[in-house]
Amino acid sequence: GDSVTQMEGPVTLSEEAFLTINCTYTATGYPSLFWYVQYPGEGLQLLLKATKADDKGSNKGFEATYRKETTSFHLEKGSVQVSDSAVYFCALRTGANSKLTFGKGITLSVRP
Amino acid sequence: DAGVIQSPRHEVTEMGQEVTLRCKPISGHDYLFWYRQTMMRGLELLIYFNNNVPIDDSGMPEDRFSAKMPNASFSTLKIQPSEPRDSAVYFCASSFGTGGQETQYFGPGTRLLVL
Repeated sequence: GDSVTQMEGPVTLSEEAFLTINCTYTATGYPSLFWYVQYPGEGLQLLLKATKADDKGSNKGFEATYRKETTSFHLEKGSVQVSDSAVYFCALRTGANSKLTFGKGITLSVRP
Repeated sequence: DAGVIQSPRHEVTEMGQEVTLRCKPISGHDYLFWYRQTMMRGLELLIYFNNNVPIDDSGMPEDRFSAKMPNASFSTLKIQPSEPRDSAVYFCASSFGTGGQETQYFGPGTRLLVL
């Protein structure tokens, strides 16, 4: 079945540091890939997405590139801010199926 | 739009009591999802509906859990009887259309504590 694997957390960084959060997937067919973010006390919200190989999703300074050859969708940001502290979830959806498969999520804490 | 609305935001109850969680999806959305989030198991899909019809309930943990969607603007998730291991944050989400690229919009969640 479909699955998403995220790197173990939590991750703690200083403000303006470079961020990479790893995500790899296993899926039948060609999935669409997503990163969702959950700020403290809130529900998840879409951060970015990519729907085919080599697509790059970007939003709020975050980027992720759909790598079919390595089945990966790593999230990066060049300079994190304290306000980026949150839980980040990688997810996929295959075909026209509306069901999302989520990774376990990783907590990011950014120190001033 | 007001977004996905969930009530109550917090619920504390005693083991054995019935719990009902409520969700109002975004107007016009035709898919509705119920998720449960715990530290141990992460985010789990419990059930989802399309046009008010349950499509996949394979994630519902056991018969104590039931979900209904009587109309396009309202859904409930009921736990009867509740147990301490049901303590979690329950999220409702909605989306529109099919094709694999649609964004799911999440509500703020209901934090349930069963004593």
